[in-house]
Amino acid sequence: DQQVKQNSPSLSVQEGRISILNCDYTNSMFDYFLWYKKYPAEGPTFLISISSIKDKNEDGRFTVFLNKSAKHLSLHIVPSQPGDSAVYFCAARFGNQFYFGTGTSLTVIP
Amino acid sequence: DADVTQTPRNRITKTGKRIMLECSQTKGHDRMYWYRQDPGLGLRLIYYSFDVKDINKGEISDGYSVSRQAQAKFSLSLESAIPNQTALYFCATSGRTSPGTAELFFGEGSRLTVL
Repeated sequence: DQQVKQNSPSLSVQEGRISILNCDYTNSMFDYFLWYKKYPAEGPTFLISISSIKDKNEDGRFTVFLNKSAKHLSLHIVPSQPGDSAVYFCAARFGNQFYFGTGTSLTVIP
Repeated sequence: DADVTQTPRNRITKTGKRIMLECSQTKGHDRMYWYRQDPGLGLRLIYYSFDVKDINKGEISDGYSVSRQAQAKFSLSLESAIPNQTALYFCATSGRTSPGTAELFFGEGSRLTVL
């Protein structure tokens, strides 16, 4: 059973606007959440993370929000740039294991 | 040079053949992982190892085996490949997990096709 879900397989956004990628999870014991970005023919690369004791973490154009009561995680990218076009995976850690969502393909239209 | 290197990057093989995917890392990390990516299913953990003497099964270990030959090397084997093992395979590493230092570092992937 998928413990981390990304219900939107794809998202298109105009350059300069905000991109919001969403992620839901079922296990309340996850203690750390991460977002990864993946370009074609490359491995996923770490983007930003948040501890379960926080509700927001910001790094430049990227902000991750955590709503523990709703078991919901979101990544905001503002302003979106064409180079942000990639597949984004959310992930969650429990114990020694990381659990990944199915990914959302973001296209930023120039 | 990549910190996490996978070989081969692409491989086509036939049903029943034995296949080995190799991973080496220069990050000095203790922890190494093998993941599989399939369309619509995301990344799923096959095996992981926290040091040379430690091997653990992940979500989908059936049909696979691993070997941790050294701290820097972690190999994934398919003893008798079958078509539904056609996928993109990723090796990853991490340091000892603690709050704020949890990220995985991935290799570039090995695309395996089993005919």
